[in-house]
Amino acid sequence: GAVVSQHPSRVICKSGTSVKIECRSLDFQATTMFWYRQFPKKSLMLMATSNEGSKATYEQGVEKDKFLINHASLTLSTLTVTSAHPEDSSFYICSARDFRGSYNEQFFGPGTRLTVL
Amino acid sequence: GESVGLHLPTLSVQEGDNSIINCAYSNSASDYFIWYKQESGKGPQFIIDIRSNMDKRQGQRVTVLLNKTVKHLSLQIAATQPGDSAVYFCAEVFSGGGADGLTFGKGTHLIIQP
Repeated sequence: GAVVSQHPSRVICKSGTSVKIECRSLDFQATTMFWYRQFPKKSLMLMATSNEGSKATYEQGVEKDKFLINHASLTLSTLTVTSAHPEDSSFYICSARDFRGSYNEQFFGPGTRLTVL
Repeated sequence: GESVGLHLPTLSVQEGDNSIINCAYSNSASDYFIWYKQESGKGPQFIIDIRSNMDKRQGQRVTVLLNKTVKHLSLQIAATQPGDSAVYFCAEVFSGGGADGLTFGKGTHLIIQP
């Protein structure tokens, strides 16, 4: 149980295009999902917290107009990187929390590798 | 041995030996701590957690120690196996902060030598 999937696993796009990444909780309902970003050989940095049916909460320094987050259902959150540029190339990882589960227990997706040319 | 530099700190141990991975956390008010294992190109995998009202917790082949006085967390892995090779991150949560996403430490790359 507690499986989180991400799609796509890898994406290569041209500079200036927008890319949508999906995060799904497959066998549980996730009232809260989190989006993290990880550069090579670095740690994960929290970008935003996404609650179902409400606006996402962004961490300081993360542009909300650049990284659009939609959490339309209890099993799906999407992150759209708008007008992507090479500096947006990174590993994007989502996590989901089962509201019935342990306090603050988060299950992570496998990540999406974004490369912007 | 352990080395710290521009890249992730690396800890190299012989297969079968015990390993200890250390982490310094930042928020003295954090009330929940978790260790994750991340293999190359994959998302983090939960290993073990501990609440701030505890100083030790044991799992299968792993033990987490918490020293709140010096804000230090350690992960001990007994009888290491090749499959233990990965990057290990500690993470902390402060439940009173409103947003409860995880704050990750810098990570340690554990290499198991055959």
